[in-house]
Order: sequence, then structure tokens, then C-alpha cells
Amino acid sequence: DTGVSQDPRHKITKRGQNVTFRCDPISEHNRLYWYRQTLGQGPEFLTYFQNEAQLEKSRLLSDRFSAERPKGSFSTLEIQRTEQGDSAMYLCASSLVGLAGEDEQYFGPGTRLTVT
Amino acid sequence: GDSVTQMEGPVTLSEEAFLTINCTYTATGYPSLFWYVQYPGEGLQLLLKATKADDKGSNKGFEATYRKETTSFHLEKGSVQVSDSAVYFCALSEDYGQNFVFGPGTRLSVLP
Repeated sequence: DTGVSQDPRHKITKRGQNVTFRCDPISEHNRLYWYRQTLGQGPEFLTYFQNEAQLEKSRLLSDRFSAERPKGSFSTLEIQRTEQGDSAMYLCASSLVGLAGEDEQYFGPGTRLTVT
Repeated sequence: GDSVTQMEGPVTLSEEAFLTINCTYTATGYPSLFWYVQYPGEGLQLLLKATKADDKGSNKGFEATYRKETTSFHLEKGSVQVSDSAVYFCALSEDYGQNFVFGPGTRLSVLP
């Protein structure tokens, strides 16, 4: 297994356009997280899934943001009508939750979004 | 809400110097505490963790002790190497989900 992968690694878009990012977690992991990281800051939680169910969403996740994990495997994060303030690194992480609790989160390399 | 504060960087040290990166937290409950590291061009990796008061997490020569009385989780290493150059993030979790909170990160540069 090669770990968590994200695609694309970089995205430049014009304000007002829609963008979609993909995250492929570690195959046996049942939990998947999305975070946003701006320059000089730590990651901020956006949302997470347990299998295909979206269990929590941060107040940071405006109605322009939507995330899916249709079959409990890969996930997509879509941003509609992008704004310059959406420019950030979008991180995906996955973990395995079992009877003994949750294992550590494994992070992907991130997708850097630049909105011009 | 929960929060994590770290010492500001960048921190620049010579090889074999002693490292301390301070981390303090505020939480409503009894969180687990973590240090993550991000090497240039790579994703965040868990460095060490501690799940209850007085626990010591350790990995790759790094150590941190969960101090409930001072709400701290300072990262230490006795002798840093050039390969330790990275950004270090302190984090806490009350029960994962949106209660997983990161500090702003501290950039460490180790010079040969």
C-alpha cells in the first residue's frame, strides 16, 4: 500500500470556477478526514466520514463546499464558485477505527489550491 | 473551544544541539496529545503521542511528556540532525472528528 494519495497536487483556478479534489485513503481504513491548511497555520478540520456516512462538518465548511464518499472508499471535495479566500492546501487523512478505538491518522500530500 | 499554542519559529540550530519546542493547550476534557512532523514536500506524519497525564511519548530520539498540571506537551531531542529539519505540529484530540485541533506549527532548521 502506498499510503493516502490526493489528486491533483496543484490546482490554479479563476475566481468563480468550480473545483473538485480527490482523495484515495489507505485501502482498509474506514474513516476519512478533510482538513484545510493556510500558510503558517496548522490544519483545520473540515469534515469526516465513517465509511460512506458524513458524520461531522465544521462551521468552516460553507454551503459552497461539499464532500462525498459514495462507496466508502475514495472521497471528493468540491468547492463551487471559488473565492480568493479558498486558496489553501487541502489535506486528506484516513484512519482505521476498530474495537480498540481509532488508530493514528495518515495524511496525504495535499492539494494546493490557488484562486486568482 | 480547544486550542493549541506553540512557540513561534523558525528555530535554527546547529547539528547535535539540544532541541525544545514548547506546546501548551487548552481543552474542556482530557485530550490525547500528539506531535506531527512535516518534512519538505511530504504529508504530515505522526511523530509521537500520549494519551493520559504523565505519559511519555517517544520516537526517533524525540520525547514529549503529557503534563496535565501545566497543560503542556513540550517536544525535546537531545541531539538534532540535519535530517530533522521540518515543520513540527502539536495537536490534541478529545475524541477525534472536529475535536482534532492542531497548533500553527514550528519550523526547525538544523545546520551542519
